[in-house]
Amino acid sequence: QVQLVQSGGEVKRPGASVKVSCKASGYTFTSNYLHWVRQAPGQGPEWMAIINPTTGNTKYAQKFQGRVTMTRDTSTSTVYMELSSLRSEDTAVYYCAISGDTSIAYWGQGTLLTVSS
Amino acid sequence: QPVLTQSSSASASLGSSVKLTCTLSSGHSSYVIAWHQQQPAKAPRFLMEVEGSGSYNKGSGVPDRFSGSRSGADRYLTISNLQFEDEADYYCETWDSNTRVFGEGTKLTVL
Repeated sequence: QVQLVQSGGEVKRPGASVKVSCKASGYTFTSNYLHWVRQAPGQGPEWMAIINPTTGNTKYAQKFQGRVTMTRDTSTSTVYMELSSLRSEDTAVYYCAISGDTSIAYWGQGTLLTVSS
Repeated sequence: QPVLTQSSSASASLGSSVKLTCTLSSGHSSYVIAWHQQQPAKAPRFLMEVEGSGSYNKGSGVPDRFSGSRSGADRYLTISNLQFEDEADYYCETWDSNTRVFGEGTKLTVL
């Protein structure tokens, strides 16, 4: 079955960077897009980024342009999300997810990022 | 870029039915949407896609009690024979040029 297993929670200072990983299994890694979606406390999901795992091509939400980088390692079926210049408003649960050409079909378990001085 | 509008809350009694609404913004009424369920302290779970025709395609393991439909720009999620485990936040999602948009979510309380 499809599994998306994310790295553990992180605590970072404002201004720092964080890199979160998501290891995919149970399907052909290159057959689906991968996304990062975050959810701040008490808020709805917010889409951040997408990667085509075959080509490595990415697209980022305008809000995060210049601060977020999504990469993948096809040898380990893992995607990464790096977010820089962290501020307190980046405190959220970060999810990886997969889709085809339509909706998100599977979600990872989530990674809690806390940004605090 | 489409915008999705959802009511913030809904409630219904155990064993009854409830219909949740997700409304697409002007100019996007033909878009396909997806419904996701998020139980307390859990990751979201894909429930179904609802197409512009009103047909719907459910994810693996989603009970028959869950169904989808549409009317114009509105997309519906109907849950029949409500169970306590259906108490959750429900989000709709749509997409355009590979970007994704989510609604603000409806918090469903089962009385």
